Amino acid sequence: QKEVEQNSGPLSVPEGAIASLNCTYSDRGSQSFFWYRQYSGKSPELIMSIYSNGDKEDGRFTAQLNKASQYVSLLIRDSQPSDSATYLCAVNMDSNYQLIWGAGTKLIIKP
Amino acid sequence: DGGITQSPKYLFRKEGQNVTLSCEQNLNHDAMYWYRQDPGQGLRLIYYSQIVNDFQKGDIAEGYSVSREKKESFPLTVTSAQKNPTAFYLCASSTLTAAYEQYFGPGTRLTVT
Repeated sequence: QKEVEQNSGPLSVPEGAIASLNCTYSDRGSQSFFWYRQYSGKSPELIMSIYSNGDKEDGRFTAQLNKASQYVSLLIRDSQPSDSATYLCAVNMDSNYQLIWGAGTKLIIKP
Repeated sequence: DGGITQSPKYLFRKEGQNVTLSCEQNLNHDAMYWYRQDPGQGLRLIYYSQIVNDFQKGDIAEGYSVSREKKESFPLTVTSAQKNPTAFYLCASSTLTAAYEQYFGPGTRLTVT
């Protein structure tokens, strides 16, 4: 069974602090990893993609990938109330077009 | 503006009725997808299509049907055979070279009673 696991939260973080979101996946051969943000009642939007081990930074967002530990994380620096949303981790585990999705972590940024 | 539209936003049906959800994109994307999202669960793939007149089943295709007669359009029919159709349905599209970077429509929330 191919799985992507996330803590459902909610994760509560003070405004201005670093929010750290984690995701583990079951298939060691996975190649592509994605973070999507979903506001309540809305559709997901892609915020980060990462394909190789290490860190990838984009503005206040940093994605971290450790394939040996089958672990991908998303750090949000200087968290803002507008970052309050559910963050979905998605992984491609084989050569077709399918993504396997985690259930998401609800993040709440407290002013 | 380029994007994906889904209609309607909310849909109510009686059990036993078929219902068709619309999805249109003007991003010139080749690939289109239908997902279902239930509370507390990840998105699950229903069907996807990489080219006109061709589509493949995803993990939960039973009780659903699709067509892809035009590049821009990928309607989903929820049939009466779908045992638990109440859910949030999301349509997405992507290029073939960046198939995992998917752009989503606003979704249709279907309630069947």
